[in-house]
Amino acid sequence: DQQVKQNSPSLSVQEGRISILNCDYTNSMFDYFLWYKKYPAEGPTFLISISSIKDKNEDGRFTVFLNKSAKHLSLHIVPSQPGDSAVYFCAASGRLVFGQGTRLTINP
Amino acid sequence: NAGVTQTPKFQVLKTGQSMTLQCAQDMNHNSMYWYRQDPGMGLRLIYYSASEGTTDKGEVPNGYNVSRLNKREFSLRLESAAPSQTSVYFCASRPSGLGDNEQFFGPGTRLTVL
Repeated sequence: DQQVKQNSPSLSVQEGRISILNCDYTNSMFDYFLWYKKYPAEGPTFLISISSIKDKNEDGRFTVFLNKSAKHLSLHIVPSQPGDSAVYFCAASGRLVFGQGTRLTINP
Repeated sequence: NAGVTQTPKFQVLKTGQSMTLQCAQDMNHNSMYWYRQDPGMGLRLIYYSASEGTTDKGEVPNGYNVSRLNKREFSLRLESAAPSQTSVYFCASRPSGLGDNEQFFGPGTRLTVL
């Protein structure tokens, strides 16, 4: 039973445009959500997080939105840059439960 | 600071062989974790250690054992490797203070079992 789901295995976006990555979860007890970025042959690195008491958190070009009623979160990247091409994982709570990942490709 | 280090980077085993994956962190973190990453599956938790001297099973512990040797080191052992254990293995650590939710990951060990 996949508690955290990323239903889009891949996403292709033009450089300079907005990238929107989505994540759904089933467990309403999750109280903290994180996004990780992963380049090939490297470990995941932390990108941005959000507590369940908030609905938005912004850090530079990255914004995470949380819709608790829909059990849905999204990561917005504006503007998208070629260096953003990577696999993005959403994860929930302390003993992290990860989604399957979305491969983002930014086209010049 | 090196952060989280893992050895080896690559390993090829034959079915039935055993090996130990090593992980060390120099950030004085309390909690340490072992994950495996498989295509289309994300990262799945194998075992974790909330503090020195304790270990607990994660989502996919079968076929693995762990040892929290001290605060710095957390090893993962495959006693009798199987082809289903072909995967990329990541070690991670976390401070475990209030509000410390972020985990820090090592570079991974790519394991192939023939």
